[in-house]
Amino acid sequence: DTEVTQTPKHLVMGMTNKKSLKCEQHMGHRAMYWYKQKAKKPPELMFVYSYEKLSINESVPSRFSPECPNSSLLNLHLHALQPEDSALYLCASSQNRGREQPQHFGDGTRLSIL
Amino acid sequence: AQSVSQHNHHVILSEAASLELGCNYSYGGTVNLFWYVQYPGQHLQLLLKYFSGDPLVKGIKGFEAEFIKSKFSFNLRKPSVQWSDTAEYFCAVTTTDSWGKLQFGAGTQVVVTP
Repeated sequence: DTEVTQTPKHLVMGMTNKKSLKCEQHMGHRAMYWYKQKAKKPPELMFVYSYEKLSINESVPSRFSPECPNSSLLNLHLHALQPEDSALYLCASSQNRGREQPQHFGDGTRLSIL
Repeated sequence: AQSVSQHNHHVILSEAASLELGCNYSYGGTVNLFWYVQYPGQHLQLLLKYFSGDPLVKGIKGFEAEFIKSKFSFNLRKPSVQWSDTAEYFCAVTTTDSWGKLQFGAGTQVVVTP
């Protein structure tokens, strides 16, 4: 079992819906990440939060909106998504953003856009 | 920009065979190297990591990897695989410039037949 918990595990939504993905960790990690993973592909970094501040936005469309309410919680708000946004969305955390820190991944939320 | 190459996209082998997966990176500075594994339906798990020191690192589940700086390589090995090693394997790199951003290789799908 992973120490990074993501909910929901599966989400189906229409292109006009608004939904949110949630990620939680209680390891005291201060860096948290959102990745998008398409089938048979490696994870692609979307956002990095460090000490609850957005540090990196990898030119992600504004229909994805991240939020870090506290050091344990990371949300990804979704609005007006496109069918090509269907993917596995992974959350990860690490002690900090140091390059030697391994990242711990959640199981992901499998998102399908109708 | 740095990149990570994994030589084989798909490997099929029998139980008890030896496994070696290639990984090369392109970056002239200091790197941190990781191998992650993704078992079917499970989250990405860290197999092993290299930061400095002994270039031969041992990880979980009997895996090891060797960092060869002159070849910019970090190949993963296991002397005798089991059916349970069937998974997707990702090599990943962070650098002094990347501030914890993990750059993943394309992944290698390993199938172990009984």
